[in-house]
Amino acid sequence: RKEVEQDPGPFNVPEGATVAFNCTYSNSASQSFFWYRQDCRKEPKLLMSVYSSGNEDGRFTAQLNRASQYISLLIRDSKLSDSATYLCVVTRVKELVFGTGTRLLVSP
Amino acid sequence: ETGVTQTPRHLVMGMTNKKSLKCEQHLGHNAMYWYKQSAKKPLELMFVYSLEERVENNSVPSRFSPECPNSSHLFLHLHTLQPEDSALYLCASSHAGGSVHYGYTFGSGTRLTVV
Repeated sequence: RKEVEQDPGPFNVPEGATVAFNCTYSNSASQSFFWYRQDCRKEPKLLMSVYSSGNEDGRFTAQLNRASQYISLLIRDSKLSDSATYLCVVTRVKELVFGTGTRLLVSP
Repeated sequence: ETGVTQTPRHLVMGMTNKKSLKCEQHLGHNAMYWYKQSAKKPLELMFVYSLEERVENNSVPSRFSPECPNSSHLFLHLHTLQPEDSALYLCASSHAGGSVHYGYTFGSGTRLTVV
C-alpha cells in the first residue's frame, strides 16, 4: 500500500465549478499535512497546510479526518489558472512524503 | 535573491561524465533535501541534511553523492549515471526542529537528461 494515495485524475471541470480532491495516508503517526500545487515542468509550491479543525484560504478549503486518515481539498469557483497537479503531503517523522498528485484541468 | 536557487536548470550529460548540481537557500533554514521526480511517480527523497546530520535513502545508488558544506549550500555530485536517472532533481529547504512542520520550499529544479 502506498503511504499517500491520490486519484491521479485528470479532473476536467468548467470555469466556476466546485471540485474536491481526497487523499488517504497510511501512517497514523503523521502529524503535519499539506497540499502543494505543481504546474507543468515546475517545482511544487505550498498551497496550504491542513489543520485538524479544517482551514480555509479564499476559494480553497482543506479538511483533515485523523480517524479515517484522509485529507481533502475543495476548490470553489474554479479559475483557468487553477489548472495544475495537486499533491497531498504528510509527514513521516520529520520528513515529507508526497502523493503522486491529482491533475486538475479547468476549461473555459 | 529568491528563496531556493538551483543551478543548472537543464543538464544533458553522457554516461561517463561527472557533473554537480548546486542548491543555495536564503531563507535561514537549517535543513536541506534532494528529491528526484520521475514521470508519473511521487517525489522520491534521496538525501536529507538536517541539523548537521545526514540521512539518506538506502535505495539511492552510489553514483549520486551529496555534499553540504554549510546550512545554506547543498550539492549533488553525479558520476557514471544511467539513462534511467533522467528526471527532475529538486532541492528543498525547511526549518527543522520543534513539533510543528512548516513544509518545504523547493528550488526550480534541474532537469537532467542522461544520454
